[in-house]
Parts: sequence; C-alpha cells; structure tokens
Amino acid sequence: SQQGEEDPQALSIQEGENATMNCSYKTSINNLQWYRQNSGRGLVHLILIRSNEREKHSGRLRVTLDTSKKSSSLLITASRAADTASYFCAAGGGNKLTFGTGTQLKVEL
Amino acid sequence: SQTIHQWPATLVQPVGSPLSLECTVEGTSNPNLYWYRQAAGRGLQLLFYSVGIGQISSEVPQNLSASRPQDRQFILSSKKLLLSDSGFYLCAWCHGGSTDTQYFGPGTRLTVL
Repeated sequence: SQQGEEDPQALSIQEGENATMNCSYKTSINNLQWYRQNSGRGLVHLILIRSNEREKHSGRLRVTLDTSKKSSSLLITASRAADTASYFCAAGGGNKLTFGTGTQLKVEL
Repeated sequence: SQTIHQWPATLVQPVGSPLSLECTVEGTSNPNLYWYRQAAGRGLQLLFYSVGIGQISSEVPQNLSASRPQDRQFILSSKKLLLSDSGFYLCAWCHGGSTDTQYFGPGTRLTVL
C-alpha cells in the first residue's frame, strides 16, 4: 500500500510563481526523495534529503524535511511551463522506496 | 555511464494469456532492481525487488512473479493475465546496499483486454 500522501493532489499556477508540494510518510526513513514524471514516461530523480538533514537546495528546488512530523515539502521557485509534470515523494529505507500518490503540477503561460 | 532498458514499450494482451516483461541494466554491477506498477493517474506500487541473483522479495501477493536470472536482468511474468493487471510497469535500479537514488526505465504500457 502507498505509505506517502502528497498535498495538494493537483496544483495550477502561472509561470514565474512558486509551487509548493507537501508529503507525509508513516515509518522511519533513511532519506526522503522527490521524483518527477512527465506524462507516460519514467520517473526522474530530482533531489534526496537524508534523515539527519533539515533543508537542501538544488537549483530552483528547495526541499525540507521534518522527521518529528514525518513530513517533507518541495518548493519550485520561478516556475516554468516545462515544469508541468507529476511530482512524487518517496520514503527510503530497507532497500526500497515507498512512493506517495503524487501532485500534478500545471504551469500556465 | 549506466543505462536501463525496458521492453516492450507497449503491449496489448488478452485475458488469460502469459506475460513476460524484461528489464536490463548496463554500466553497473550488483544493482538493486525493482518492478513497480502505476495505475492511471496514481502513484507507484512496488511489486518486487531484488538485491542479488535469484533473490526476489515480493511486496504484493498477486498474479505476477519476478525472476533475476543474471546480475543485471530482471523479468516480470504472469502465467495468466487478469484485466486488473493493466497498467504502466516501471523497472528501476539503484546501487546495491542502499536506498539512494533510483533510476527508472521508460516503462511498459500493458493493456489487458
């Protein structure tokens, strides 16, 4: 069963705005990862944050992790139309990842 | 560099027919290998994973099986497909002994009619 839940399920914003997605998980983790999926394609890894980290940046991406609340957030700054995709969080532990249900992001011109 | 291959890209099969999906990885040794299924508009469900040749862990009891006959080959099979087996099947790998970044194949779209 899916362990993670993403919020919101769908998000529509204008180009140039920031997009924030939240993720909750249920068990202890080694790391929390975020992936992107364009329609009908495989997933692409975006960023990984380890359980002893609280915040990480990569380009226009900022991810936070709160292990006490078992939650993470992904912020995409200055969004572009090309950022339109589904975004998934994945809780890492025990040789496997448990994926959330995903957020569908639409960035409009 | 490492690459992951999955085939076929699309497959239409009748109910009750067998299934064999193949995934191979190049450019790395002793990877962890994973099979996921994704229903339309949904998240990924882990079906099987393998940490070595002949070692298969099943996450969801169902109509499917997996095998790892070689270090970089992972096969998903079924003897008799059900309508509910339709979906998007994704293979992924990561470096052995870790739960770090997973690298995904392009996926197989399976439609069971």
